[in-house]
Parts: sequence; C-alpha cells; structure tokens
Amino acid sequence: GAGVSQTPSNKVTEKGKYVELRCDPISGHTALYWYRQSLGQGPEFLIYFQGTGAADDSGLPNDRFFAVRPEGSVSTLKIQRTERGDSAVYLCASSLDTSGSNEQFFGPGTRLTVL
Amino acid sequence: GNSVTQMEGPVTLSEEAFLTINCTYTATGYPSLFWYVQYPGEGLQLLLKATKADDKGSNKGFEATYRKETTSFHLEKGSVQVSDSAVYFCALSDRGAAGNKLTFGGGTRVLVKP
Repeated sequence: GAGVSQTPSNKVTEKGKYVELRCDPISGHTALYWYRQSLGQGPEFLIYFQGTGAADDSGLPNDRFFAVRPEGSVSTLKIQRTERGDSAVYLCASSLDTSGSNEQFFGPGTRLTVL
Repeated sequence: GNSVTQMEGPVTLSEEAFLTINCTYTATGYPSLFWYVQYPGEGLQLLLKATKADDKGSNKGFEATYRKETTSFHLEKGSVQVSDSAVYFCALSDRGAAGNKLTFGGGTRVLVKP
C-alpha cells in the first residue's frame, strides 16, 4: 500500500517568506509526527498529532512554526517569516497510534532551503 | 531529558567485515530502543527494535541487545555487504511519556567497499 507522502520534495524560498509543507500519512494511522533534520544530524522532534489535535508541540522552535491536521489525516506544517536557519529536511511520520510498540513510518521528507 | 549518543562516522569497511556501531542513551523513563537506517536517496526505515531490557532486536543480519545496566544498544552485523552502505540512526522513545515521540542520535554513515 501507499506509504507516507510529503510535498513538495524540495522548496526554495527567500528569507522572510511564508511556506507550507504537506504530509499525507498512511491511511488509518491516527498518530502523525513532524521532525526536522539538519545537515549531518539526526531528526529532531517538532510536534505530534493524535487525531486532529496537536497533543505535544514542545519541539516547535518558536511561534513562527505552526502545524494543523484539521480532519485527522493530512497535516500541514506552516513556517512564517522564514529564516536561513530554518533550512533543513522536514520529515513526517505516521503510526497506528501512539503506543510504544507501534512503528513510525517516515516519509521521504521536504528539503527546505531558505536563501 | 532524553538523549542518544552514537559513534561518529564515517565508518569505512570492506565487504564481509564485522560492523559495530556503538549507541548509548540517557532516559528519564523506561524507553524502547530502535535502529533506523537511511539508504542513499531513500527515507528513514526501521531496522530493528527492542522494548525491554535484555531483548535482542534482529533484522537483515543486524542485531542489537537492550542493555539496561550499561544503557547501551550497540548495532552489530557479522558480515557486511556493499548494499549495507547507509546512515544508521539509534533512537529511543520514552514509553512512560505520552506520544511515543522519538529521540535520535546524530547518525553514523557506513560505507562498505567491495
């Protein structure tokens, strides 16, 4: 079946612009996670959703970052007033639920470059 | 807070060599432990996992044992192939906390030469 998909695969923007990154999770997965991976580093947690609600947004770096999942499926990560330091690969993952035994399936990521 | 430390790469090996990637962790709760792999041009994939002390995770010839006494989860493979060239990430999730979010190490790049 279809895996986690993310669009766009690459996004180049200018400093100060607004961007939206989209994640389509695996059908039926109630938990959705966003991570950010800077060059040469491991992914870092940003936010996760259980259903439609953001259950933990403690990893969002500041209030320029926001994410939604209005219907409990597709999620959008929104970044306002982008800065060069926001350049990274943004990864989305989904799992059946949030229990510790359930695997998180990762999408291919969106590479964001802020010029 | 939770953290994962793994050996820095790159690790360069010849085919059929033995591979070890060290991973140690710090966790406030009682974590589950994972190894993820990222092949060139592909997304992160779960390689193996262990959910309690002394459990051994295994897959594709790779093994790792959950060692609570040394807070370690070292990855091993007895005979690597060129196709094992990838970046390997050790990770944990704190089962005591809601959400099962993952904390990753910095990754170790492995290059296997024929």
